[in-house]
Amino acid sequence: QVQLQQGGAGLLKPSETLSLTCAVYGGSFSGHYWSWVRQPPGKGLEWIGEINQNGGYNYNPSLKSRVTMSRDTSKNQFSLKLTSVTAADTALYYCAKGVWELRFQSWGQGAPVTVSS
Amino acid sequence: DIQMTQSPSSLSASVGDTVTITCRASQDISDYLVWFQQKPGKAPKSLISGASNLQDDVPSRFSGSGSGTHFTLTITSLQPEDFATYSCHQYHSYPITFGQGTRLDIK
Repeated sequence: QVQLQQGGAGLLKPSETLSLTCAVYGGSFSGHYWSWVRQPPGKGLEWIGEINQNGGYNYNPSLKSRVTMSRDTSKNQFSLKLTSVTAADTALYYCAKGVWELRFQSWGQGAPVTVSS
Repeated sequence: DIQMTQSPSSLSASVGDTVTITCRASQDISDYLVWFQQKPGKAPKSLISGASNLQDDVPSRFSGSGSGTHFTLTITSLQPEDFATYSCHQYHSYPITFGQGTRLDIK
């Protein structure tokens, strides 16, 4: 059973860079999708992007100019960076692992991020 | 982007009731739809993939149907643990998009 453990900064100022990590326990990267999803307070979920089963990257066009995802197979973790944050980026950020037909099969515990001056 | 619209946005029901939640896609997504459940303070839990395929650890009182642009999630014989928010998402096209959620409350 794969477990995802999230880490990263909780409080940011506008224009700073959000950095989150997701450590993977009990599984390998190959053959799976590794995603980031966020949920602003009181709102629905928004897909940020993914590392696909071939190691390629797919990003939400609405965030693409500010998003960078990466993976470190030696540490068995993957990461999210979001630059130039604003209050609109305040949300609960989740990492997730899945397969093509069930993209968010396992979830991290969620990392709350607040952007405030 | 494919827009996913859920209805109703909220509903109230009693233990033992049957409820149906609808998810409509702005264009044909075949059966590339997932339903999931979310409880306060918890990560979402996927219930159904491929519009109608129940995940292994999900009770059989949950069922999904539909294809194309119209999908439904039905919960029969509601149990106390079923009161939560239910959402759908499509994986037919990038970007993956979600419905806004349906909150199911106890009447």
